Amino acid sequence: SAVISQKPSRDICQRGTSLTIQCQVDSQVTMMFWYRQQPGQSLTLIATANQGSEATYESGFVIDKFPISRPNLTFSTLTVSNMSPEDSSIYLCSVALSSYEQYFGPGTRLTVT
Amino acid sequence: GENVEQHPSTLSVQEGDSAVIKCTYSDSASNYFPWYKQELGKRPQLIIDIRSNVGEKKDQRIAVTLNKTAKHFSLHITETQPEDSAVYFCAAKPGFQKLVFGTGTRLLVSP
Repeated sequence: SAVISQKPSRDICQRGTSLTIQCQVDSQVTMMFWYRQQPGQSLTLIATANQGSEATYESGFVIDKFPISRPNLTFSTLTVSNMSPEDSSIYLCSVALSSYEQYFGPGTRLTVT
Repeated sequence: GENVEQHPSTLSVQEGDSAVIKCTYSDSASNYFPWYKQELGKRPQLIIDIRSNVGEKKDQRIAVTLNKTAKHFSLHITETQPEDSAVYFCAAKPGFQKLVFGTGTRLLVSP
């Protein structure tokens, strides 16, 4: 597996502001992903972070709301922009070490007031 | 696209009993089926996986079976312990596409 860290681990933000979440991996990985998990729910893929190109977003998620950067093979950021209470959730980054196995970071618990 | 259904949504067992969680998938191109365990407040943890060229895989008390014809796969936990209490997610991956997750099963093991 890989050692995956996220910052911050949690945050409380005011509506209308933005938060950038960082994800760091201890080895180079091709595929990095960002997920959202609402309380008691399953994992919803927001986007695939591609190194050197724009992220690939899933239906219902747009770049203006969730801009993603992937400057190298070990790091990515997700920004949650112009936040509303509906954005309160856990945000998880994930990496694929091969074509199959996928591992998750510890998550960022976001509360928007 | 792929759709994964998972049952039951909750499962309560006594310590020492076996637990079985079942998932069905829709896309016959799916060839990888992982299972994740998520304890309260923690990240999803990959506990076992199976590829489509294998029918069964075991790792100590946990096993996964795959029936490609029926498009379903199951997680079996034997001799359950209180520390097995968690939410379990199945997932399926069609080829090089994204993982598609089931809705989760909350397993409660009572001492």
